[in-house]
Amino acid sequence: DVKVTQSSRYLVKRTGEKVFLECVQDMDHENMFWYRQDPGLGLRLIYFSYDVKMKEKGDIPEGYSVSREKKERFSLILESASTNQTSMYLCASSLFTGGKETQYFGPGTRLLVL
Amino acid sequence: QKEVEQNSGPLSVPEGAIASLNCTYSDRGSQSFFWYRQYSGKSPELIMFIYSNGDKEDGRFTAQLNKASQYVSLLIRDSQPSDSATYLCAMYSGNTGKLIFGQGTTLQVKP
Repeated sequence: DVKVTQSSRYLVKRTGEKVFLECVQDMDHENMFWYRQDPGLGLRLIYFSYDVKMKEKGDIPEGYSVSREKKERFSLILESASTNQTSMYLCASSLFTGGKETQYFGPGTRLLVL
Repeated sequence: QKEVEQNSGPLSVPEGAIASLNCTYSDRGSQSFFWYRQYSGKSPELIMFIYSNGDKEDGRFTAQLNKASQYVSLLIRDSQPSDSATYLCAMYSGNTGKLIFGQGTTLQVKP
């Protein structure tokens, strides 16, 4: 069964703090993704990775960085949290199939930056 | 023009009726389409994927793809209150390797 887990369901941080969001998948998927979801704006892709140590910018990478040191783990880093980064953060993974990749989502982390 | 468009709704149907959710897309080269269901406060959950023109059925759900007209739809038969959720349509972009999501349609099934 597909399993994507995220380190926290809820997180409260202060402005300026460095924030780490962790995502782990156990399906040996090559591809991993970080999204944020905000009311009225839908799902927006922050960063994604096709392989270990590889990363690609998504649509809204500003203010974020990522790390993928192991295949199963993809971390999202907020270098200096700001209030406009309050959001629901969703991690997803998929197996490379040459155009039929199905993404499976983790439970999400709801981040509040005060 | 957005790459994937959905009517945000809400779409309200009575229990037991057929709910029809529609999605249009702009990339003619897209080959893969997905429907996700998202309950309030939860993450998206895959319901169905469809790659070929025509219909694909899975239980009470039927996905329909018409590549010539560039639309994909999801039919939910015998709608239940538990089907009340936001339904996200997504298209795989071969150019970018990304999944492009629509804004989602909120479905309300009234008992």
